[in-house]
Amino acid sequence: DAGVIQSPRHEVTEMGQEVTLRCKPISGHNSLFWYRQTMMRGLELLIYFNNNVPIDDSGMPEDRFSAKMPNASFSTLKIQPSEPRDSAVYFCASSLGHQNEKLFFGSGTQLSVL
Amino acid sequence: AQKVTQAQTEISVVEKEDVTLDCVYETRDTTYYLFWYKQPPSGELVFLIRRNSFDEQNEISGRYSWNFQKSTSSFNFTITASQVVDSAVYFCALSEEGTNAGKSTFGDGTTLTVKP
Repeated sequence: DAGVIQSPRHEVTEMGQEVTLRCKPISGHNSLFWYRQTMMRGLELLIYFNNNVPIDDSGMPEDRFSAKMPNASFSTLKIQPSEPRDSAVYFCASSLGHQNEKLFFGSGTQLSVL
Repeated sequence: AQKVTQAQTEISVVEKEDVTLDCVYETRDTTYYLFWYKQPPSGELVFLIRRNSFDEQNEISGRYSWNFQKSTSSFNFTITASQVVDSAVYFCALSEEGTNAGKSTFGDGTTLTVKP
């Protein structure tokens, strides 16, 4: 079975550019999560969706960040404009349901903003 | 508010030694869930175990065991006879029922290095 698929694996961009990260959750999973991992702040939950609807976006750092889930098999996290402090590993995860099920993580996107 | 503390930032052991990773949590909910995840050098986090707040039985899975104690708000993880492949960052996480259902708060992780 395919796991959570993220693309790209690595992204290097210049400050001010738009960055779009993509995620395909495991088929049949109802919940999708975007996390950011940095040395300074560890793993932070940015936003999560349940049945394609954003439930909690309180972790989104600022208006430059936006996330969408147009259907059950695809989600994007967009940063516009990007800044060097956005450099991090961004993980997408999915789970079966809304009630504290275990998370299945993708391989992450290593983002470097120069 | 929920919080997870993994006081051990880094642990280094020699192969075949036993090692315990500590996890202390804070929550006001009576119903909650605790998790452990492993992040090997490849980067992808892998689920190890989930435990709900009403189940205080300890669990053993091969060389892995977990000790859940509500009295001390701890959910510690022991690896017996460690192996080099156990080298990874290990995260403890907490998820509450109610308004925070579906969210997990992660500890800062413990980096385990097992030397041959």
